Amino acid sequence: DTGVSQNPRHKITKRGQNVTFRCDPISEHNRLYWYRQTLGQGPEFLTYFQNEAQLEKSRLLSDRFSAERPKGSFSTLEIQRTEQGDSAMYLCASSLIGQNYGYTFGSGTRLTVV
Amino acid sequence: TQLLEQSPQFLSIQEGENLTVYCNSSSVFSSLQWYRQEPGEGPVLLVTVVTGGEVKKLKRLTFQFGDARKDSSLHITAAQPGDTGLYLCAGVTYNQGGKLIFGQGTELSVKP
Repeated sequence: DTGVSQNPRHKITKRGQNVTFRCDPISEHNRLYWYRQTLGQGPEFLTYFQNEAQLEKSRLLSDRFSAERPKGSFSTLEIQRTEQGDSAMYLCASSLIGQNYGYTFGSGTRLTVV
Repeated sequence: TQLLEQSPQFLSIQEGENLTVYCNSSSVFSSLQWYRQEPGEGPVLLVTVVTGGEVKKLKRLTFQFGDARKDSSLHITAAQPGDTGLYLCAGVTYNQGGKLIFGQGTELSVKP
């Protein structure tokens, strides 16, 4: 296993378009997290899954954002009707339940909305 | 709202100097982690501290968890240009599904 994989690495889109990002976690990890990071700031929590169940969504996650983890493996994060304020690095991390110190982050998807 | 205040936000030093980064909160954490992040990459875990008062060393890096589990510090001895990067502290609170609360980060630049 090569770690957490995120695709694409970079995405440039026009305002108003929809975008979808994918995260493939470490295979035995049952928790998957999405974070958003803007330049010069620490990552902010967006949502997390335990297996296929989405257990928490941040207030940062507006109705334009949706995340899925259909089979408890990979996850997708979709942003509809993108806005310039959505420009950020979107990070995915995975971990094992009960091990609150085994997080592995992916390299992120850099979104630029023009 | 749980917050982690990290300071300083920026640090520019000469090679060979020592430095300390602080992370403070009013919340109690079950564990606290330190990450290092390179531009355009995800954070990479350096260490996790779990017990109040715990001290961990990683080569020239020393990490400490406060007795009350509300604060932590990262001390780097004899900094090198390769230490340059964004250092992030992140706390895990009880019964929060393991999600991380991050500090704002410390941008460290070590000049040769």
